[in-house]
Amino acid sequence: GESVGLHLPTLSVQEGDNSIINCAYSNSASDYFIWYKQESGKGPQFIIDIRSNMDKRQGQRVTVLLNKTVKHLSLQIAATQPGDSAVYFCAENLSPHGNNRLAFGKGNQVVVIP
Amino acid sequence: DTEVTQTPKHLVMGMTNKKSLKCEQHMGHRAMYWYKQKAKKPPELMFVYSYEKLSINESVPSRFSPECPNSSLLNLHLHALQPEDSALYLCASSPGTVGTGELFFGEGSRLTVL
Repeated sequence: GESVGLHLPTLSVQEGDNSIINCAYSNSASDYFIWYKQESGKGPQFIIDIRSNMDKRQGQRVTVLLNKTVKHLSLQIAATQPGDSAVYFCAENLSPHGNNRLAFGKGNQVVVIP
Repeated sequence: DTEVTQTPKHLVMGMTNKKSLKCEQHMGHRAMYWYKQKAKKPPELMFVYSYEKLSINESVPSRFSPECPNSSLLNLHLHALQPEDSALYLCASSPGTVGTGELFFGEGSRLTVL
């Protein structure tokens, strides 16, 4: 059954500030890494991805950084807004050349304080 | 149409019941997925269908039976479930199974097994 008191790591951030969410991955052979956002009561929503031959990729208000040396991934959100409140999952694609087997990380809760 | 639609949104069933979860997409995607998500946990892959054929079964118990009648529809048949099977069941699709890992998720079917 469920563990009593189980909770997600939580980042509380003031509206307008920048947020940084971190993730460690396990498979050094993974080729693609993806960030998903999951709002309460909804399914995960793709935010941004990065290929292993890149260190950095920017989207609209988001930047993903990849450090392959220490197998670390981060998501930076600029000028955080109330609509950014959600759980953020990193994922690695274990088989990008067939089957899209994604392994999701544990998730980080972001709470934006107005 | 960029939606993945799942029905029902909520389902309560007894351990002897037979029920089905349904998923539909009209984006022309040829890969469809079932994920299971427990509270405060990341989604876990159950099944992958590629071009209407089952390509991955992540050692899911036989009381869960997937079916892909056509490229737009994906079902998950449930029989003799256990209370620990209570979870959010997420359907997702992607254009193919080769790619970065960008999946389009539905909002999920929340299943409670009594």
